Amino acid sequence: AQKITQTQPGMFVQEKEAVTLDCTYDTSDPSYGLFWYKQPSSGEMIFLIYQGSYDQQNATEGRYSLNFQKARKSANLVISASQLGDSAMYFCAMRGVKETSGSRLTFGEGTQLTVNP
Amino acid sequence: NAGVTQTPKFRVLKTGQSMTLLCAQDMNHEYMYWYRQDPGMGLRLIHYSVGEGTTAKGEVPDGYNVSRLKKQNFLLGLESAAPSQTSVYFCASSYLAETQYFGPGTRLLVL
Repeated sequence: AQKITQTQPGMFVQEKEAVTLDCTYDTSDPSYGLFWYKQPSSGEMIFLIYQGSYDQQNATEGRYSLNFQKARKSANLVISASQLGDSAMYFCAMRGVKETSGSRLTFGEGTQLTVNP
Repeated sequence: NAGVTQTPKFRVLKTGQSMTLLCAQDMNHEYMYWYRQDPGMGLRLIHYSVGEGTTAKGEVPDGYNVSRLKKQNFLLGLESAAPSQTSVYFCASSYLAETQYFGPGTRLLVL
């Protein structure tokens, strides 16, 4: 079974500073994918970034980067130069190779990020 | 290009009533999914489909049925609603096993 753990229910950061949101995972699949989604107060789920387990480099998308440490089974999201609009719930999710017939995602419980002016 | 749309946005049901949630995508994606999100929790997979005419159970399928008669549509049905099905329902689609893109969600309240 797959499991995603997000140990930070809430995080606070000052505007323009960087913040790291933690995500650890557990899987027995040899190949898997890790995702981060943002859910603002309006409720929609917005895809941010993806990391494949065999990718050699950490994924980056604009101000978002994924600090992938395979041996530690962690896939932390780093947001640089935080903006007020970054205030939202952030979910880490995983897809295992055994479930590619469906590509189902397993989600963590989320981290509520608040950016202070 | 509307992406993934869901109908309705909000619904109130009485216990025992039935309803159907509609999901539509215009991205020509093969795979479609229904998730539910309960307060303070991540999303959990209800049912999914890997193509027109196919459906499969996810993590929490009890009390729900689905149909995928057309590639672009994925319907979620509640035959006899229960208060435990009060939740926010999200539909998603993906090109095969790639990134999933989500609809705006449907808030369902069962009294």
